[in-house]
Amino acid sequence: AQSVTQLDSQVPVFEEAPVELRCNYSSSVSVYLFWYVQYPNQGLQLLLKYLSGSTLVKGINGFEAEFNKSQTSFHLRKPSVHISDTAEYFCAVRVQTGANNLFFGTGTRLTVIP
Amino acid sequence: EAQVTQNPRYLITVTGKKLTVTCSQNMNHEYMSWYRQDPGLGLRQIYYSMNVEVTDKGDVPEGYKVSRKEKRNFPLILESPSPNQTSLYFCASSRDRAPKNTGELFFGEGSRLTVL
Repeated sequence: AQSVTQLDSQVPVFEEAPVELRCNYSSSVSVYLFWYVQYPNQGLQLLLKYLSGSTLVKGINGFEAEFNKSQTSFHLRKPSVHISDTAEYFCAVRVQTGANNLFFGTGTRLTVIP
Repeated sequence: EAQVTQNPRYLITVTGKKLTVTCSQNMNHEYMSWYRQDPGLGLRQIYYSMNVEVTDKGDVPEGYKVSRKEKRNFPLILESPSPNQTSLYFCASSRDRAPKNTGELFFGEGSRLTVL
């Protein structure tokens, strides 16, 4: 079985400061990894994904994440946040075979302070 | 425009009154799924469907039914709603089992259900 842990439920950060949202996963098989973002009153949209290859992946809106297999982590980073980045962020995993069932973490609410 | 459409977006109902939340996608996706989102619990999968007439339980299927008679539609049925089904529900779709399947899910905007 797969599981995803997002240790920080809330992360406040000042505008233009860097941010890291942490994600750890556990799985007995190989997985794909995703970060989704949910803006207020909207559905989720894909921020970035790791399927294979380079462990550093870049996504939309200046976000990037690094896959670390030994630490089973997939932390999300942005060097300088904007007010518009205020949202809830979800880390998700799925196994590489079988149905496209994503297992989500509990989410991290990022609040950017002016 | 490629999209997943859910209806209704907001609904208040009473215990025991059957209701259906519709979901439709226009991307010809094989895979569709329902999730519920609750504070502190993230998204949990209710049911999913790999293709027409193929459905399977997710992590929290109790109290829900689904059907997949057409590729584009995947309604969620609450036969006898209870207060613990008060939640925000999301429908999602994706291609599946394609050679270069990226696994990206496309989400609807959500349906907020309150059961009194």
